[in-house]
Amino acid sequence: EVQLVQSGGGLIQPGGSLRLSCAASGFSVTSKFMSWVRQAPGKGLEWVSSFNNGDRTFYADSVAGRFRTSRDNSKNTLYLQMNDLRVEDTAVYYCAREFVQLSYWYFDLWGRGTLVTVSS
Amino acid sequence: SSELTQDPAVSVALGQTVRITCQGDNLRLYYASWYQQKPGQAPAVVVFGKDSRPSGIPDRFSGSSSGSTATLTITGAQAEDEGDYYCNTRDSSGNHLGVFGGGTKLTVL
Repeated sequence: EVQLVQSGGGLIQPGGSLRLSCAASGFSVTSKFMSWVRQAPGKGLEWVSSFNNGDRTFYADSVAGRFRTSRDNSKNTLYLQMNDLRVEDTAVYYCAREFVQLSYWYFDLWGRGTLVTVSS
Repeated sequence: SSELTQDPAVSVALGQTVRITCQGDNLRLYYASWYQQKPGQAPAVVVFGKDSRPSGIPDRFSGSSSGSTATLTITGAQAEDEGDYYCNTRDSSGNHLGVFGGGTKLTVL
């Protein structure tokens, strides 16, 4: 079955670190662009980061320098390492697979999301 | 960075047609994709590209684009279409950065 299974998340104090995982099945994460998207409570969607099908990563300004996306090819898993967490990083974090074309892209597969709460 | 602007809320009578718009300069360069999200669920794409739908999405959902505005049209809205709708495209910087609209809450009356 083609799916993304997420793990990690939880309650963390401001300034702390946390790593989210997104295990893919039914396809290889090395062959696809993969992204992280978050949604603060009661708010809209926010794109966070993308990892292309090579070795390039891209980040939103709001997380650049604090978050790092990586991939373990042997485990077919995408990670989001989140450092120096802030209260405003509190959100449900989704991993998503991208379908990329020259003039458009879209997220064609989503994980179920995992909640990260940053609070003292 | 670029922004995409959506109306916060729209309502439609059952069976009628509703249009949800998304405005942004980068829509002159790239097509938008549209996502439906229901409470407690992950988003799901309903329209992408020029006017394509994933398998399983009813043909009452369609997309169009003109200049800096993308439009999602639901022709003959059903009760199950109620939810939040988000547009998404690439940032206009030329890098692989994403941007979402603020979302439109659709109420079917």
